[in-house]
Amino acid sequence: EAGVVQSPRYKIIEKKQPVAFWCNPISGHNTLYWYLQNLGQGPELLIRYENEEAVDDSQLPKDRFSAERLKGVDSTLKIQPAELGDSAVYLCASSLRMNTEAFFGQGTRLTVV
Amino acid sequence: AQKVTQAQTEISVVEKEDVTLDCVYETRDTTYYLFWYKQPPSGELVFLIRRNSFDEQNEISGRYSWNFQKSTSSFNFTITASQVVDSAVYFCALGGQAAGNKLTFGGGTRVLVKP
Repeated sequence: EAGVVQSPRYKIIEKKQPVAFWCNPISGHNTLYWYLQNLGQGPELLIRYENEEAVDDSQLPKDRFSAERLKGVDSTLKIQPAELGDSAVYLCASSLRMNTEAFFGQGTRLTVV
Repeated sequence: AQKVTQAQTEISVVEKEDVTLDCVYETRDTTYYLFWYKQPPSGELVFLIRRNSFDEQNEISGRYSWNFQKSTSSFNFTITASQVVDSAVYFCALGGQAAGNKLTFGGGTRVLVKP
């Protein structure tokens, strides 16, 4: 069975430029998460979807970040415009439902210069 | 609010030694879930175990074992006879309704196993 797939693996952009990350969850998983992981820290939730509905986006900086999960499957996370402080690893994860084990993709390492 | 504390930031051992990783949590939920994940240098978080708050039975899986003590709000993880491939960052995480049913991660413990 395929795991969570994320792309791209690495991205380097100049500040003020837009960037988008894509995630394909495990088939049949209703819950999808986007996490942010700074160097040397644990992941922190940005947004959680139950099917196509964003049920927790309280930690998403909505002035520059947006996300969507069309048809309750794939998801895209966008940053516009990017700032230097956005440099981090962006992790996507999925689970059958909330509070069950989440499976993570390999992440996208973003560097803003 | 939920909180997970992993007081050990880094542990270094020699191969074949046992290593125990501490995890202490705080939650106001009566039903909650505890997890351990491994993050090797490749970066992908690998699921190791999930525990429900009402199941305090300890678990062993190969060289891995987990000790859940509700009385001290701890969920410790032991690697027996460590191997170089065990070198990674290990995260403890907590899930439950109090924090919106998302995973709250600790800061992680880096384990370095030297040959």
